[in-house]
Amino acid sequence: GQQLNQSPQSMFIQEGEDVSMNCTSSSIFNTWLWYKQDPGEGPVLLIALYKAGELTSNGRLTAQFGITRKDSFLNISASIPSDVGIYFCAGQLYGGSQGNLIFGKGTKLSVKP
Amino acid sequence: NAGVTQTPKFQVLKTGQSMTLQCAQDMNHNSMYWYRQDPGMGLRLIYYSASEGTTDKGEVPNGYNVSRLNKREFSLRLESAAPSQTSVYFCASSGRRANTGELFFGEGSRLTVL
Repeated sequence: GQQLNQSPQSMFIQEGEDVSMNCTSSSIFNTWLWYKQDPGEGPVLLIALYKAGELTSNGRLTAQFGITRKDSFLNISASIPSDVGIYFCAGQLYGGSQGNLIFGKGTKLSVKP
Repeated sequence: NAGVTQTPKFQVLKTGQSMTLQCAQDMNHNSMYWYRQDPGMGLRLIYYSASEGTTDKGEVPNGYNVSRLNKREFSLRLESAAPSQTSVYFCASSGRRANTGELFFGEGSRLTVL
């Protein structure tokens, strides 16, 4: 089946540092999305990207939809302890139905105060 | 606002037992989904319902059945539980932007099959 390659798998950083993670695929996506999952909770949508090349910010978070439609990255600036959690990328396949939303395996972020 | 509510939050079953996970949303969304989350595997779609009265298989449907009871409720049934079905199950819903992947998730149901 379709796959998203999300990296890194985990990150251990100091409070105040910037964070960068990305997702790549061999498939073309219509939409790229980034979700965050806090421990013991369900994922929550952070950012949705709809156009190739689109760069969108949400507070300290910035995400981009790759120009080839096959990749996306998420940056977090000046990390704080509440940024801890698992970040998932997800892609809606080009021309796909609602069942064709593919999730990456997640990046687990740990922040040392 | 409750959003997406799942019950139960925790369940332990013996192999071969059956159970139903319940999900309800109060956002008047047309589409509802069941995912499972396993360590290192991300989220995998089990079944989804694009609208009341329709259901479709996702990536990992074997061993599960679903019922879209009405617009609000979407249940997931395990007829004969197996240890491989030990997982965290998430229900999600989406509204007008269903085809873009914008989902609202519940808090999860943690199932252990012994």
